[in-house]
Amino acid sequence: GAVVSQHPSRVICKSGTSVKIECRSLDFQATTMFWYRQFPKKSLMLMATSNEGSKATYEQGVEKDKFLINHASLTLSTLTVTSAHPEDSSFYICSARAGLGWTYEQYFGPGTRLTVT
Amino acid sequence: GNSVTQMEGPVTLSEEAFLTINCTYTATGYPSLFWYVQYPGEGLQLLLKATKADDKGSNKGFEATYRKETTSFHLEKGSVQVSDSAVYFCALSDRGGGADGLTFGKGTHLIIQP
Repeated sequence: GAVVSQHPSRVICKSGTSVKIECRSLDFQATTMFWYRQFPKKSLMLMATSNEGSKATYEQGVEKDKFLINHASLTLSTLTVTSAHPEDSSFYICSARAGLGWTYEQYFGPGTRLTVT
Repeated sequence: GNSVTQMEGPVTLSEEAFLTINCTYTATGYPSLFWYVQYPGEGLQLLLKATKADDKGSNKGFEATYRKETTSFHLEKGSVQVSDSAVYFCALSDRGGGADGLTFGKGTHLIIQP
């Protein structure tokens, strides 16, 4: 159980276009999902917290107008990279939170490799 | 702000060797600490966690003890196997369990040779 999927696994887009990445919790409901970005040989960096039915909370330094997050249902969050540029090329990973209180656990998707040409 | 520092690899060991991957952290308050493992082509999986000082997390032969006095959470395994080859991430969360977004270390690539 507790499987999280991401789609697509890889995407190549042209500079200036937008690309949408989906994160789904397949066998549980997640009121909260997280989006991370991973640079080569760097740690995962939290970009934003996605809450079902409300606005996402962005970490300092993350442009909310560039990285649009929508959490429209309890099993789906989407990250849209708008007007993508080569510096947006990265590995994007989502996680979905399950449990309550001290039993919370995050389950991670396999990641999406974005390349902007 | 919070930060996690872990030894960078790759770390190459022979099968049945003893493993230690160091992890130290900086955080306000009393964070929860985690080790995640990422096998090739797969997503991160929780390996073990500890939510308060002196707690020991353990799973699949791996152990780590939450040391508040040294702000450390070193990962150990007595006898590694080839199947343990993966990237290991140390992480922390401000609130209990995994309630909040995690702060990760850079990851340690572990290679176990037969």
